[in-house]
Amino acid sequence: AQKITQTQPGMFVQEKEAVTLDCTYDTSDQSYGLFWYKQPSSGEMIFLIYQGSYDEQNATEGRYSLNFQKARKSANLVISASQLGDSAMYFCAMREANAGGTSYGKLTFGQGTILTVHP
Amino acid sequence: DVKVTQSSRYLVKRTGEKVFLECVQDMDHENMFWYRQDPGLGLRLIYFSYDVKMKEKGDIPEGYSVSREKKERFSLILESASTNQTSMYLCASSLLQGLANEQYFGPGTRLTVT
Repeated sequence: AQKITQTQPGMFVQEKEAVTLDCTYDTSDQSYGLFWYKQPSSGEMIFLIYQGSYDEQNATEGRYSLNFQKARKSANLVISASQLGDSAMYFCAMREANAGGTSYGKLTFGQGTILTVHP
Repeated sequence: DVKVTQSSRYLVKRTGEKVFLECVQDMDHENMFWYRQDPGLGLRLIYFSYDVKMKEKGDIPEGYSVSREKKERFSLILESASTNQTSMYLCASSLLQGLANEQYFGPGTRLTVT
């Protein structure tokens, strides 16, 4: 079963508008972390934002916010006031704590969503 | 400035060749990872290592091996390259413990096997 699902292969948004990129996850762990990365056409992976499963507040980092709905197992990325430089591939990823409560840092990634920002 | 470097950005090899992809990090991270990225499939974990000389299989280890002789260096080896190993390969590193620790990625190696 897919642990991270991104159902939008591609999204389009007008410059200065907000856009939501969807991510759902599947885990039986109580303790886990959710990440979003951006990959521009140059190829490097850029960390954007993190949400812990026990965090009560939704994470925010500048124009990025994470809409975390634990009961629905969704962790959607919201980008406000889109800019042309936001055009990129976006990946959602999850880290699960193992039974011992520690993690070797493994991440499971979704398929990615290509975001195109139109002027 | 934290850094993960990979030996090549682009590589073209012939079927059956032995291929080495090198990754070096300067952050004293315990964990290192090798992923391959294919369209529509996202990033898939090939192997990872949490200490020198330690390695663990990821989700798609078949056809690959790894080596970690020094903490800062993690090598991916294709023993006999095949055309279905044409892909983008990404190396990453992170601290050993902690759910919130991000992975830092190298720039990637685009490998073509002909």
